[in-house]
Amino acid sequence: DAKTTQPPSMDCAEGRAANLPCNHSTISGNEYVYWYRQIHSQGPQYIIHGLKNNETNEMASLIITEDRKSSTLILPHATLRDTAVYYCIVRGSSNTGKLIFGQGTTLQVKP
Amino acid sequence: KAGVTQTPRYLIKTRGQQVTLSCSPISGHRSVSWYQQTPGQGLQFLFEYFSETQRNKGNFPGRFSGRQFSNSRSEMNVSTLELGDSALYLCASRSEMTGSPGYTFGSGTRLTVV
Repeated sequence: DAKTTQPPSMDCAEGRAANLPCNHSTISGNEYVYWYRQIHSQGPQYIIHGLKNNETNEMASLIITEDRKSSTLILPHATLRDTAVYYCIVRGSSNTGKLIFGQGTTLQVKP
Repeated sequence: KAGVTQTPRYLIKTRGQQVTLSCSPISGHRSVSWYQQTPGQGLQFLFEYFSETQRNKGNFPGRFSGRQFSNSRSEMNVSTLELGDSALYLCASRSEMTGSPGYTFGSGTRLTVV
């Protein structure tokens, strides 16, 4: 599975969009990009995933560059409850449960 | 729909003892994975079970073991506990159906070894 690089921390004002970048320059053609977040002392929560097209769900949008070497998770209207550690993970399409978590980005949403 | 249930939530054990943690996946999910989370190492994959068979294993010593039952419930066991085994142990389950979202994690079991 490809390695990912994320900034260690980011701040965002409440109500504004939070844009969390992830670099995965060694991603291969069959690998998906997954995003999870972990609020303090809870288990990670699945947010969204994608292969090459942009994806949107009720929680967030995922923008993947055309060369697939990087992606951005967008929380359109950040709230204080979005303060968490966000993990970008690249995972192959095989049915294996192994997720390789990096250090993630700690997003602090401020009032 | 009930989520992933892990028991117990908190546990204190003494060095040298063994411990068993339990995980009940979401109904219908046959894949169960275990992770260890520590402040120093972050989230690390332990192993994965599917249909009662271990399908994948992380880089942990043999003191860490697991199993899965026919109802997909899973247990993990740590023998001869060391202080460094103190961690949050997380279980995650997933449907194998195409297009299903990612893994759903439980709230974890926090193990403290003294």
